[in-house]
Amino acid sequence: GQQLNQSPQSMFIQEGEDVSMNCTSSSIFNTWLWYKQDPGEGPVLLIALYKAGELTSNGRLTAQFGITRKDSFLNISASIPSDVGIYFCAGQLPGTYKYIFGTGTRLKVLA
Amino acid sequence: IAGITQAPTSQILAAGRRMTLRCTQDMRHNAMYWYRQDLGLGLRLIHYSNTAGTTGKGEVPDGYSVSRANTDDFPLTLASAVPSQTSVYFCASRREGRDTEAFFGQGTRLTVV
Repeated sequence: GQQLNQSPQSMFIQEGEDVSMNCTSSSIFNTWLWYKQDPGEGPVLLIALYKAGELTSNGRLTAQFGITRKDSFLNISASIPSDVGIYFCAGQLPGTYKYIFGTGTRLKVLA
Repeated sequence: IAGITQAPTSQILAAGRRMTLRCTQDMRHNAMYWYRQDLGLGLRLIHYSNTAGTTGKGEVPDGYSVSRANTDDFPLTLASAVPSQTSVYFCASRREGRDTEAFFGQGTRLTVV
């Protein structure tokens, strides 16, 4: 079945540093979504991307929908302690309502 | 109720027992989903429903069943629970339309012993 390869699996960074994570697939997706999950909570949507090449920002977060429709990246600038959590990418399969999720990037920010 | 509500929040279940996880949304979203989350595996789709009266299988449907009698409710049933079904289960919903995204419930932590 379709798979999303998300990297890195985990990151330890210093407060104030920039972070970059990405998702790639052999399949094409219509939509790319980026979620953040805090411990004991459900995933919360950060950014949604609907068109190939689209670049969207949400505060310190920037994400792009790859031009091939097979990849996406998320950047976090000037990280702060509350950025700690697990970040997931998700892709919507063409012609369906189904989303496939990446395995997550666990981010830890050292003050 | 605001958004998506899952119940129970956690449950310990004896192997072989039947269990239904409840999911209710009040946003009138057409599409609903059930995912399970396991360490190192991310979120995997179990079943989904595009609209009331229809359901479909996701990546890992075996051992689970769903129903969608109305727009608001999408229960997930484990007919005879096994320890490998120990997981955190998330329900999500999405409104109809091309450019829309899924919203998640708070999750149900299920332990099968």
